[in-house]
Amino acid sequence: DAKTTQPNSMESNEEEPVHLPCNHSTISGTDYIHWYRQLPSQGPEYVIHGLTSNVNNRMASLAIAEDRKSSTLILHRATLRDAAVYYCILRSAQKLVFGQGTRLTINP
Amino acid sequence: NAGVMQNPRHLVRRRGQEARLRCSPVKGHSHVYWYRQLPEEGLKFMVYLQKENIIDESGMPKERFSAEFPKEGPSILRIQQVVRGDSAAYFCASSRDRERNYGYTFGSGTRLTVV
Repeated sequence: DAKTTQPNSMESNEEEPVHLPCNHSTISGTDYIHWYRQLPSQGPEYVIHGLTSNVNNRMASLAIAEDRKSSTLILHRATLRDAAVYYCILRSAQKLVFGQGTRLTINP
Repeated sequence: NAGVMQNPRHLVRRRGQEARLRCSPVKGHSHVYWYRQLPEEGLKFMVYLQKENIIDESGMPKERFSAEFPKEGPSILRIQQVVRGDSAAYFCASSRDRERNYGYTFGSGTRLTVV
């Protein structure tokens, strides 16, 4: 599976937007970009995924660069409940391969 | 719709005992994956199963670990003769299809403590 690079940690304030970056310069044409998050003491939770076009759902938005070598997960209005580790994963094979992710801290 | 159900949530075993972890996938999902998360570490893939078949066990330790997903009933991850290093959170996930355009649904995990 192609590798992704994410910052180890990020911090934001409650009710502000959060942009979580992910670099994936070795992405292949058939790789889907998936995002999951893991809240403390819980299992990972699917957030969003996309291939080429930007995607929106009730949880977040995914902005994919035109060359697909990077993407950004956007939380439009962070709450304290969004504090978690966020994983950006390229899905080329059947299994998901998790990296270290970005630990997001939300300040009240 | 029930999600992925894992039980028990917490399991304590003495060294040398067997641990059996159960996972019931989302109704209609026929693909099951097991992951292990050691304390303060990331999730590591262990095994991918479909009904009655092991598809990818590249992440399974060669000894003491086995997994099955029978035609009827939950998927089982079995750890024989547990050691302290097996203490971890074990997560099961299921998906509807093998296609990359579907997400996984994860369970809440089983936290195994070996004493």
